[in-house]
Amino acid sequence: DGGITQSPKYLFRKEGQNVTLSCEQNLNHDAMYWYRQDPGQGLRLIYYSQIVNDFQKGDIAEGYSVSREKKESFPLTVTSAQKNPTAFYLCASSIGQRSNQPQHFGDGTRLSIL
Amino acid sequence: RKEVEQDPGPFNVPEGATVAFNCTYSNSASQSFFWYRQDCRKEPKLLMSVYSSGNEDGRFTAQLNRASQYISLLIRDSKLSDSATYLCAVVNSNSGYALNFGKGTSLLVTP
Repeated sequence: DGGITQSPKYLFRKEGQNVTLSCEQNLNHDAMYWYRQDPGQGLRLIYYSQIVNDFQKGDIAEGYSVSREKKESFPLTVTSAQKNPTAFYLCASSIGQRSNQPQHFGDGTRLSIL
Repeated sequence: RKEVEQDPGPFNVPEGATVAFNCTYSNSASQSFFWYRQDCRKEPKLLMSVYSSGNEDGRFTAQLNRASQYISLLIRDSKLSDSATYLCAVVNSNSGYALNFGKGTSLLVTP
């Protein structure tokens, strides 16, 4: 089945630790996005990538890093600089660059601090 | 003013009722609009795109009012299974065509 796969579903981070969230899609979509959702806050954009080997900061990029070495993959690293990482992280993709098409989401990763 | 605003609700309606949600957006240049449905602790799922002329999908109708910068979602004959949070999303062409989301409107349909 075509879709977006995020892993792991649940992740716990120790203080000072970097953790990486995986996002893989087999939809042949060019654009990929990372959002963070906190209770009552809606979704906020962390990073986005419209093409392989290129990515841009979103509204809340501090404490996060990404890479886009393959079209299918857009991993997000939550670094120790992110002091409040507990949230629901959602990866999304859409069909093309500079596209007004809707985005489709993976089923998310819940990150908590130990 | 926030870019996308929604009434958080909750909207509590009886089964069979008609309910409408509005969402306002601040960027008059916005071109594309969507409604997503999000169940508790799940990812958002696309419910419908919103077209300029308005569009309908079964019991759901979406409308766009560019002059007043709002979109609406109408649900007719509400079902218990419609209980969820409804997110309004507006494409932001300044951020790689990412979506600006409202905080969502919570709907509870009761027997």
